[in-house]
Amino acid sequence: DAGVIQSPRHEVTEMGQEVTLRCKPISGHNSLFWYRQTMMRGLELLIYFNNNVPIDDSGMPEDRFSAKMPNASFSTLKIQPSEPRDSAVYFCASRRRFSASGGITDTQYFGPGTRLTVL
Amino acid sequence: GDSVTQMEGPVTLSEEAFLTINCTYTATGYPSLFWYVQYPGEGLQLLLKATKADDKGSNKGFEATYRKETTSFHLEKGSVQVSDSAVYFCALHNTDKLIFGTGTRLQVFP
Repeated sequence: DAGVIQSPRHEVTEMGQEVTLRCKPISGHNSLFWYRQTMMRGLELLIYFNNNVPIDDSGMPEDRFSAKMPNASFSTLKIQPSEPRDSAVYFCASRRRFSASGGITDTQYFGPGTRLTVL
Repeated sequence: GDSVTQMEGPVTLSEEAFLTINCTYTATGYPSLFWYVQYPGEGLQLLLKATKADDKGSNKGFEATYRKETTSFHLEKGSVQVSDSAVYFCALHNTDKLIFGTGTRLQVFP
């Protein structure tokens, strides 16, 4: 089975430009998470979705960041306008929210990440 | 709120040495506990997990035991290899989210 797919793997852009990061979760998974990783702040949860609905966006740093999940197989994280301090590795992860017995599952599967550099 | 604290790195070891990476947590309720590993240039991979007190998770020679009395989940391996060089993250799952520690870099030299 294919894992979580993220594109692009690397993005270099100039300050002020719009950046769109894309994620395709594992087929059959119905929860999706966006994380940001930096040396200074470590791994931060930005936002997550259950069944395409945003549940918690308290980690989104500011209004320049937005995320959508129009369907179960695709999500985007957009930064507009981008700033140098947004430079980081952005990870997407997915999960099958409920097990066969009906309990909430807890294991997330991560994509390879998008390394964003804003000049 | 919930939190995870793990030892700062880097941890530098010679091949075949014994490894311990300490992890403690603060949480309400009964969280599941995890170790994830991140190899250079890759995403995080689940290494092992434990879902309740006294459970031991194990994988690829790594082990960790869920200790509720000390709120700990220390990672151990009896004999590390150069290929184990990576960043290791301790995490807990509670209220539908994973909470990660800051990560510990392990460097193993031949």
